[in-house]
Amino acid sequence: QKEVEQDPGPLSVPEGAIVSLNCTYSNSAFQYFMWYRQYSRKGPELLMYTYSSGNKEDGRFTAQVDKSSKYISLFIRDSQPSDSATYLCAISKNTDKLIFGTGTRLQVFP
Amino acid sequence: DTAVSQTPKYLVTQMGNDKSIKCEQNLGHDTMYWYKQDSKKFLKIMFSYNNKELIINETVPNRFSPKSPDKAHLNLHINSLELGDSAVYFCASSQPGETYEQYFGPGTRLTVT
Repeated sequence: QKEVEQDPGPLSVPEGAIVSLNCTYSNSAFQYFMWYRQYSRKGPELLMYTYSSGNKEDGRFTAQVDKSSKYISLFIRDSQPSDSATYLCAISKNTDKLIFGTGTRLQVFP
Repeated sequence: DTAVSQTPKYLVTQMGNDKSIKCEQNLGHDTMYWYKQDSKKFLKIMFSYNNKELIINETVPNRFSPKSPDKAHLNLHINSLELGDSAVYFCASSQPGETYEQYFGPGTRLTVT
C-alpha cells in the first residue's frame, strides 16, 4: 500500500465552481500536511500547510485534515482559469522528508 | 533574484553517458534536496543534505551521486545513464525548524535516448 494515495484526475470544472481535491494516507504518525501547486513546466510551490487535524483557510483555499480517517482535502472556491495546475498533497512526520501524492491535474475552463 | 536555480534546464543525452545537474540556492537555507518526477508526475525524494552532510538517501541506484561543495550548492552526478533515468529532476531547499516550506527550483528535464 502506498503511503499516500491521490486521484490523478484530470478534473475539469467550469469557472466559478467549487473544487474538492483529496488524499488518503496510511500511517497515523504523519503530522504535517501540505498542498503544493505545480504549473506546467514549473517547480511545485507551497499553497497550504496544516499541522495535525483541523481546517485552515487562505482566501479562496481551504485545507482540511481528518486524522481519524487519514484523509486530507483541499477546497477551492470560485475557481479561476488561473487555478489550472497539478495539485500535489504532501505529508511528513517532520518538516524534512516530504512524501508526495501523485498529483491531481485540474483544468478550469472559462 | 531566483531563489533556487538549476542548470541546465534541458538535458538530452545518450544511454551510457555521464552527466551532472547543478543547483544553487540564495535563501541561506541549511537543507537541500533532490527529487525525481516521472512522466506520471509522481514526485519522489532522492537525497537530502543538511549543511553539506547527507541526511536522507532513499533507495536510489549508486549511479546517482550527490555532491555538496557548500551549503548553497547541491549537484547531482549521474553515471552510465539509462532510459529509465528520463524524468524531471527538481532541486529544493528549506530551513527545517524555522519554516516547513520547501522551495523548489524550475527543474531539469532529462531525456535519455
